[in-house]
Amino acid sequence: GDSVTQMEGPVTLSEEAFLTINCTYTATGYPSLFWYVQYPGEGLQLLLKATKADDKGSNKGFEATYRKETTSFHLEKGSVQVSDSAVYFCALSDYVTGNQFYFGTGTSLTVIP
Amino acid sequence: SAVISQKPSRDICQRGTSLTIQCQVDSQVTMMFWYRQQPGQSLTLIATANQGSEATYESGFVIDKFPISRPNLTFSTLTVSNLSPEDSSIYLCSASAGGPLDTQYFGPGTRLTVL
Repeated sequence: GDSVTQMEGPVTLSEEAFLTINCTYTATGYPSLFWYVQYPGEGLQLLLKATKADDKGSNKGFEATYRKETTSFHLEKGSVQVSDSAVYFCALSDYVTGNQFYFGTGTSLTVIP
Repeated sequence: SAVISQKPSRDICQRGTSLTIQCQVDSQVTMMFWYRQQPGQSLTLIATANQGSEATYESGFVIDKFPISRPNLTFSTLTVSNLSPEDSSIYLCSASAGGPLDTQYFGPGTRLTVL
């Protein structure tokens, strides 16, 4: 079945460091891929998405490229800020398997000044 | 995009009681979903709330424990019945304005603590 495997955390970085959070997926069909962010005490917010192979999603300095050949959708940011401290979830939705979104386990990021 | 509100934002309940959570979307949406997020865990889909018909439950979740209503295209409720401490969790409502592959937008969540 469909699934998402996400890099385990927690991750602690200094401000202005480079961030990579790995995400790989298994899907029956041709999924859409998403990154969501959850700030402390809040619900999930869509960060970026990509709907087909080689698409790059980007938002707020974050980027992720849909790589079909490696079944990956790694999240990157060139220079993190303290305000980026949150939990990041990789997710997919696959038409073949119906309505369900499949979420990774989440990666907690803490950025220290 | 859709803006989603949930009530209550948090509650503390006694064992054996029930809590009903309301989810309101600011526009008509096709799909509405209910998730559970246990402490430090990822999201688990409880059910898809269907407008005008019974909800579609995922494996491990049953209607008697988690009755769901969706009387129209912008509103849904989830009731967590016969509460036990194991039900302590965050419950999240989400909605998709388009088809199954469309972006899901999430409410802020309801944090439930059962004593």
